[in-house]
Amino acid sequence: SQTIHQWPATLVQPVGSPLSLECTVEGTSNPNLYWYRQAAGRGLQLLFYSVGIGQISSEVPQNLSASRPQDRQFILSSKKLLLSDSGFYLCAWGQGIYGYTFGSGTRLTVV
Amino acid sequence: GENVEQHPSTLSVQEGDSAVIKCTYSDSASNYFPWYKQELGKRPQLIIDIRSNVGEKKDQRIAVTLNKTAKHFSLHITETQPEDSAVYFCAATNNNDMRFGAGTRLTVKP
Repeated sequence: SQTIHQWPATLVQPVGSPLSLECTVEGTSNPNLYWYRQAAGRGLQLLFYSVGIGQISSEVPQNLSASRPQDRQFILSSKKLLLSDSGFYLCAWGQGIYGYTFGSGTRLTVV
Repeated sequence: GENVEQHPSTLSVQEGDSAVIKCTYSDSASNYFPWYKQELGKRPQLIIDIRSNVGEKKDQRIAVTLNKTAKHFSLHITETQPEDSAVYFCAATNNNDMRFGAGTRLTVKP
């Protein structure tokens, strides 16, 4: 069966520090991978999605970036965090027209 | 790109009553419409979905309807229970990326 792993679960980072969140998927090949952000009490904002290795589509211009170095690995990064980057970050995978499966999320607080 | 609107943002019902959440979408190419339930501090979980070649789908107390002409789809929960309290998200996709509504916070009062 397919599983998705996302870490860390919580993170407190100072403004201006770098960020790296990792997501890996097991039990499937060539999945579509996604990063969403959820601000407190708000909806899910699509940040990036990838349909294959090295293929990244960015939805919102900001100081975040994403990379897909391997088929089942998706990384969200930032060189310098802003206060506004705080939120609940969710990785998800999907294949074709099926519902996405979300990772357990990373709660990021930028202080 | 796709834009999904969801209403209401909050909904409070008495246990046993029905709850209805409505969504509209903008991209006529969208062909898959899932609904997610998110409990506090947890990941969204898929609860039901519907594809564009179907008008209605039911799973026990949960049903979804889709009107492709009007670009509307709705979630219906009957005989609500306190454990149905959560945030519900609708979504729409045309294959590569999924856009979510802003969410509905459902509270079921015992």
